[in-house]
Amino acid sequence: GAVVSQHPSWVICKSGTSVKIECRSLDFQATTMFWYRQFPKQSLMLMATSNEGSKATYEQGVEKDKFLINHASLTLSTLTVTSAHPEDSSFYICSAGPGQSGTGELFFGEGSRLTVL
Amino acid sequence: GENVEQHPSTLSVQEGDSAVIKCTYSDSASNYFPWYKQELGKRPQLIIDIRSNVGEKKDQRIAVTLNKTAKHFSLHITETQPEDSAVYFCAARDTGGFKTIFGAGTRLFVKA
Repeated sequence: GAVVSQHPSWVICKSGTSVKIECRSLDFQATTMFWYRQFPKQSLMLMATSNEGSKATYEQGVEKDKFLINHASLTLSTLTVTSAHPEDSSFYICSAGPGQSGTGELFFGEGSRLTVL
Repeated sequence: GENVEQHPSTLSVQEGDSAVIKCTYSDSASNYFPWYKQELGKRPQLIIDIRSNVGEKKDQRIAVTLNKTAKHFSLHITETQPEDSAVYFCAARDTGGFKTIFGAGTRLFVKA
């Protein structure tokens, strides 16, 4: 299957700082990538849809100024958590899928565990 | 938008027994229903999927059924093994893109 790589796998930062997480599709071009957030023992909640070359589409309740998403190329999307606070501590996972919309499976990155002190 | 409900939240079975997890979805336009297995601290892994033009699909000990009319789909695991213990998520994808909405998850425990 297709490979999606995410970096870093874990990060610890101080409150008020910004953290950038990268998501790369290694063997296919991803026009669209998705960012999910997962709290402990909870489901994956879709945060935003990242579209190459255009602005991301955010789900209701997700602050676009706090969670900056950039999709500058067909293989890279980044999520920047700005002015992070302890409540932003979570597992962030990106996903992408090759092929036409409505077909094909999604492939997930390894996830990035963010801890804000 | 799409809403996916999943039951039960926790399921405990004896090794060798069957496990069934059920989901419902709200958007009749959804046409793709994957099931993911997630182990602690790891990424979700696709275990089986079904499309809206199919009523049932089987892969060894795992099967999925879909009732489009009722907007129900279910995961069946037979002859469960301890290594099946994990969290299982159902999901539904709309026809407009890859946007995939997940159920709340089922924590499966298989007791040896």
